[in-house]
Amino acid sequence: QKEVEQNSGPLSVPEGAIASLNCTYSDRGSQSFFWYRQYSGKSPELIMSIYSNGDKEDGRFTAQLNKASQYVSLLIRDSQPSDSATYLCAVKGMEYGNKLVFGAGTILRVES
Amino acid sequence: EPEVTQTPSHQVTQMGQEVILRCVPISNHLYFYWYRQILGQKVEFLVSFYNNEISEKSEIFDDQFSVERPDGSNFTLKIRSTKLEDSAMYFCASSGDSEGGEQFFGPGTRLTVL
Repeated sequence: QKEVEQNSGPLSVPEGAIASLNCTYSDRGSQSFFWYRQYSGKSPELIMSIYSNGDKEDGRFTAQLNKASQYVSLLIRDSQPSDSATYLCAVKGMEYGNKLVFGAGTILRVES
Repeated sequence: EPEVTQTPSHQVTQMGQEVILRCVPISNHLYFYWYRQILGQKVEFLVSFYNNEISEKSEIFDDQFSVERPDGSNFTLKIRSTKLEDSAMYFCASSGDSEGGEQFFGPGTRLTVL
């Protein structure tokens, strides 16, 4: 079974700091990578997608992908209390077909 | 901004009863999905649907489950004879294309089987 692994946390950061969330995946043929934010009792909300090695920035969020190391990360700059949520890494690739395979998520707590 | 909608938001049913969960995907999307999330666990893929047929299904999606696109807007998930272990949040998602397409999730239906 191909896996997507995340540290469950909680990761606690002070308001205004950079939060760094990490994800590793086992399917070397994976092609597409996504970060979702999930508030308690709510549905996953897409934050970022990344398909190529390197960095992709969108506002306060930066996704980083390293296919050789099978590693994807999400940086959140100037963290706000409203960023407190569970962050889900999801991967789509050759062996997965069209479906997303999710990690268990990392709980982020931003303390004011 | 277009969004995926789901009804009902919460469904309570007795074990052995049939339930139908409804979804309206984003209007110009072509690919539709159902996922579920048991409380405290990962989001799990159930089924994907394209061009009026199932394109992929997981081991969870056994003969008790079925999906249908009865008209041009709705996408439904039917569970024929619910079990206690079917209690979960069920999320519908849609995407515009399959090649790395971003999937957008609806708000979910919380299914409680008693």
